[in-house]
Amino acid sequence: DGGITQSPKYLFRKEGQNVTLSCEQNLNHDAMYWYRQDPGQGLRLIYYSQIVNDFQKGDIAEGYSVSREKKESFPLTVTSAQKNPTAFYLCASISLGEGRGNTIYFGEGSWLTVV
Amino acid sequence: DQQVKQNSPSLSVQEGRISILNCDYTNSMFDYFLWYKKYPAEGPTFLISISSIKDKNEDGRFTVFLNKSAKHLSLHIVPSQPGDSAVYFCAARSYSGAGSYQLTFGKGTKLSVIP
Repeated sequence: DGGITQSPKYLFRKEGQNVTLSCEQNLNHDAMYWYRQDPGQGLRLIYYSQIVNDFQKGDIAEGYSVSREKKESFPLTVTSAQKNPTAFYLCASISLGEGRGNTIYFGEGSWLTVV
Repeated sequence: DQQVKQNSPSLSVQEGRISILNCDYTNSMFDYFLWYKKYPAEGPTFLISISSIKDKNEDGRFTVFLNKSAKHLSLHIVPSQPGDSAVYFCAARSYSGAGSYQLTFGKGTKLSVIP
């Protein structure tokens, strides 16, 4: 079955460490996105990528980095520069031109806690 | 500046009754609207969508209404079931150039269906 896989589901990080969240999709989708959700907040866009080897900053990109070396993969690195990294992170992908209005598909999410 | 607003953070409804979730937007360039349902610690799942050229879309127990002049949309769930208890996100799509789209999300409304 096609889908989006995020790992790990739960991750603990010490202050000052970088961590990388994995996101893989086998839907052959062109565009991939990283969102962050905090309690009482909507989904906020961190980074997105429309094609391989290209990505754009979203609304809250500071303290994060991404790469898109393969169509299927869009890992997110939470750097030590991110001041408040504890959150629920969601990866998503979208295939442009689908009949359902470019419906976006989400992974199951990754919980990151800084200890 | 929030472009997509869900002004009710929570809603409680009796099982079997109608649930109405509301969403307001400010950007007239949004061309597609989507509703997502999210259970705790899971990624959002797509529920129903509507193009800006329509005023109603129905899918089983779910109906979305769009009032473009008022920049308002609503999701109706009839009849409501306990399994519908979740956070519902309204999202709006806008074209960001070079064949790419962005989704802007509201903060969500937590629906509780009481048996």
